[in-house]
Amino acid sequence: NAGVTQTPKFQVLKTGQSMTLQCAQDMNHNSMYWYRQDPGMGLRLIYYSASEGTTDKGEVPNGYNVSRLNKREFSLRLESAAPSQTSVYFCASSPQGQETQYFGPGTRLLVL
Amino acid sequence: GENVEQHPSTLSVQEGDSAVIKCTYSDSASNYFPWYKQELGKRPQLIIDIRSNVGEKKDQRIAVTLNKTAKHFSLHITETQPEDSAVYFCAVQDSNYQLIWGAGTKLIIKP
Repeated sequence: NAGVTQTPKFQVLKTGQSMTLQCAQDMNHNSMYWYRQDPGMGLRLIYYSASEGTTDKGEVPNGYNVSRLNKREFSLRLESAAPSQTSVYFCASSPQGQETQYFGPGTRLLVL
Repeated sequence: GENVEQHPSTLSVQEGDSAVIKCTYSDSASNYFPWYKQELGKRPQLIIDIRSNVGEKKDQRIAVTLNKTAKHFSLHITETQPEDSAVYFCAVQDSNYQLIWGAGTKLIIKP
């Protein structure tokens, strides 16, 4: 099993550009999450999907959209990137009814 | 909503000594408390967790204690080794079954 995978690993954007971060898991997990991690701070939840077909806002959803494409894939879209969105983005998944979250390797995003 | 505070932000200990990191939370209904370790440039990984029906859990050199009355829980690492150097995060499951995270503790093991 590859676990949770994310693409790309690193991306540089100019202000106003758009992009989609991809996440996939092969553990048959129902729940998936997108976090951002800024230096010296903990993880902040952007969006989550408790099950296929549902998505909900987390703590910091402004400027982002998500799509739960199927049970395996959960993408995060930045429609118009801003320098404040420079961060490391982690995708995570968990089995339904269990709290343990398994993380992907992260995507480092730099917005100039 | 749930609020999680983690202390200290940085902890430096001599190799072989013990390290203790503490987290406090606000919602007395919370009942799941995991600890994650994040090495530099890597993903967070679960190292130990505890549920509200127990007061302590051990896994080799790592232990977690929970005081539900005082609403705090702590990570204890004994006989620290260089590979323990990392950032440690506590988290608390809130009423929506989401994890609320502490800000992290950078643990430095001095040789």
